[in-house]
Amino acid sequence: EAQLVESGGGLVKPGGSLRLSCAASGFTFKNAWMSWVRQAPGKGLEWVGRIQSKPHGGTTDYAAPVQGRFTISRDDSKNTLYLEMNGLQTEDTAVYYCSTGLAGVWGQGTMVTVSS
Amino acid sequence: DVVMTQSPLSLPVTLGQSASISCRSGQSLVHSDGNTYLNWFHQRPGQSPRRLIYNVFNRDSGVPDRFSGSGSGTDFTLKISRVEAEDVGIYYCMQGTHWPLTFGGGTKVEIK
Repeated sequence: EAQLVESGGGLVKPGGSLRLSCAASGFTFKNAWMSWVRQAPGKGLEWVGRIQSKPHGGTTDYAAPVQGRFTISRDDSKNTLYLEMNGLQTEDTAVYYCSTGLAGVWGQGTMVTVSS
Repeated sequence: DVVMTQSPLSLPVTLGQSASISCRSGQSLVHSDGNTYLNWFHQRPGQSPRRLIYNVFNRDSGVPDRFSGSGSGTDFTLKISRVEAEDVGIYYCMQGTHWPLTFGGGTKVEIK
């Protein structure tokens, strides 16, 4: 069974950085394109970005609010997806989920709080 | 960005009755590869979303056949037949045809 487990969330000051990880199991990670989706407290779902599989070029795409501040990467040898977040703003406070492809499988999420 | 508009915002339903949620997109969701990437998700309070339907009408593994998706182009519907207590929560549609991928605002289903 496919499973995703996020980690790395926490409390960070505005302007700070954080790196989230997503450990994958139960499917062929190296062939999967992966995404990050976030949900601010009491709000709806918002795509953050995605990374294609290396056989398809490994390219990344980002939503406008995080373009230039967030970076998605992957380590296929470790079956792990990453989200590097820099220049964090209070508006980035949310639960961050990793997901496979078009969100067929989701992790449990990790909370990121940006506050002074 | 493609705007996804769901209605209604809130949907009180009686156990055993059916419920329908509408999702309209700002432009056609037919991809150049011929597929229509319209998905439906269910999120219970405090839980991660779960995909129910992909590509308009395909049920994910383990999803009861009480859930069905239909539609084309810009107009889509999720129908829940014989609503059960476990169906409460928020339902989201999502388009995967155009980047950035976008979600509808959600429909809250509750039991009357």
